[in-house]
Amino acid sequence: QKEVEQNSGPLSVPEGAIASLNCTYSDRVSQSFFWYRQYSGKSPELIMSIYSNGDKEDGRFTAQLNKASQYVSLLIRDSQPSDSATYLCAVNRSAYKLSFGAGTTVTVRA
Amino acid sequence: SAVISQKPSRDICQRGTSLTIQCQVDSQVTMMFWYRQQPGQSLTLIATANQGSEATYESGFVIDKFPISRPNLTFSTLTVSNMSPEDSSIYLCSVEEGGGAADIQYFGAGTRLSVL
Repeated sequence: QKEVEQNSGPLSVPEGAIASLNCTYSDRVSQSFFWYRQYSGKSPELIMSIYSNGDKEDGRFTAQLNKASQYVSLLIRDSQPSDSATYLCAVNRSAYKLSFGAGTTVTVRA
Repeated sequence: SAVISQKPSRDICQRGTSLTIQCQVDSQVTMMFWYRQQPGQSLTLIATANQGSEATYESGFVIDKFPISRPNLTFSTLTVSNMSPEDSSIYLCSVEEGGGAADIQYFGAGTRLSVL
């Protein structure tokens, strides 16, 4: 079982729609969860961090965490063409290390 | 967040040679990491660069192939030794900020390596 699994892509959504990205993790003791965005040919950039169960909103992005289900998600509301990228879910493990999912590629159609 | 400078940004190398990648941070950080991102893949942690001591390598990565230096709290190097085409990847350094349980990592721009 992979440490971090993301829903397979690619995900294509029309402009203005909601993009929903899912991630599950295997280590029940994980405490920190992150979403990174990576544009083609660029390095990952942090867009959201979440540590407690529930929702966390930042602009058009909402992260949701359910530790009991070992599940974390990212919603992108009012999707824009500039949101077209690969989204990486990352989960902490030991000694500040992160495990990354394979990523979900999102394409927003104008 | 800290400003992370990584160089070279890209290189094309011949098999059997070595390349040293530098990572410079504009502030002192405790934790620095080196990752590899193979084409179309996600990030795989190579090692944690420890200041003043030997790096801590992940399973599948060894010091002879990927020697790492960390002479101070703002600088680290990763060497890819005796390269083969399978080493063609993006190599990224990251730093951890926030301390405690925050575990937030920020990445340099990466080094795109092609081995012929």
